Amino acid sequence: EVQLVQSGAEVKKPGESLKISCKGSGYSFTSYWIGWVRQMPGKGLEWMGIIYPGDSDTRYSPSFQGQVTISADKSISTAYLQWSSLKASDTAMYYCARRSVAVDYWGQGTLVTVSS
Amino acid sequence: QSALTQPASVSGSPGQSITISCTGTSSDVGGYNYVSWYQQYPGEAPKLMIYEVSNRPSGVSNRFSGSKSGNTASLTISGLQAEDEADFYCSSYTTNNTLGMVFGGGTKLTVL
Repeated sequence: EVQLVQSGAEVKKPGESLKISCKGSGYSFTSYWIGWVRQMPGKGLEWMGIIYPGDSDTRYSPSFQGQVTISADKSISTAYLQWSSLKASDTAMYYCARRSVAVDYWGQGTLVTVSS
Repeated sequence: QSALTQPASVSGSPGQSITISCTGTSSDVGGYNYVSWYQQYPGEAPKLMIYEVSNRPSGVSNRFSGSKSGNTASLTISGLQAEDEADFYCSSYTTNNTLGMVFGGGTKLTVL
């Protein structure tokens, strides 16, 4: 069974750093793109970026370029999304998602709350 | 990247059929048969309902169907049920960005 399991909810202060994770299982982790999707409270889905764990090819949406870093450790089938300096506007639910011809599997989401 | 255009809301009564549209351009919806649809309940992750315009994943009710004409894709839900009330998002392959995929803005379906 394909599963994407994300790390738990986080509460952080502005300016702090954060790295959240997404562990894949039940399939060849290196053979599919993994993407990160942001959903701000009451809003729609936004692609942040994607990574191909097989060769670490990483692409960012212009809106998120320079704001976050996406990485993957194929030895443990885990993708990451990290911030070096969080802002209150980063408060959102973040989903990882496996992409083939569509997004066929989603993680359960990681809620990130940034508040002073 | 520009989102695909969906109506903000649609509604229907139980047993009726409704259609949600998703309008793009020749660089995404109109140019490729890689349109997908997702259902999202509050507090839950999205779920794939339709891929490659009209294909249903295993386990998805045949009350859900997809189609495409020109630059507009559509999701039709027949025999509307109370449990169908959710947010729906379309997505398409696109050549307009380096990610190769774009979402619609989402549609809130209300079952009256």
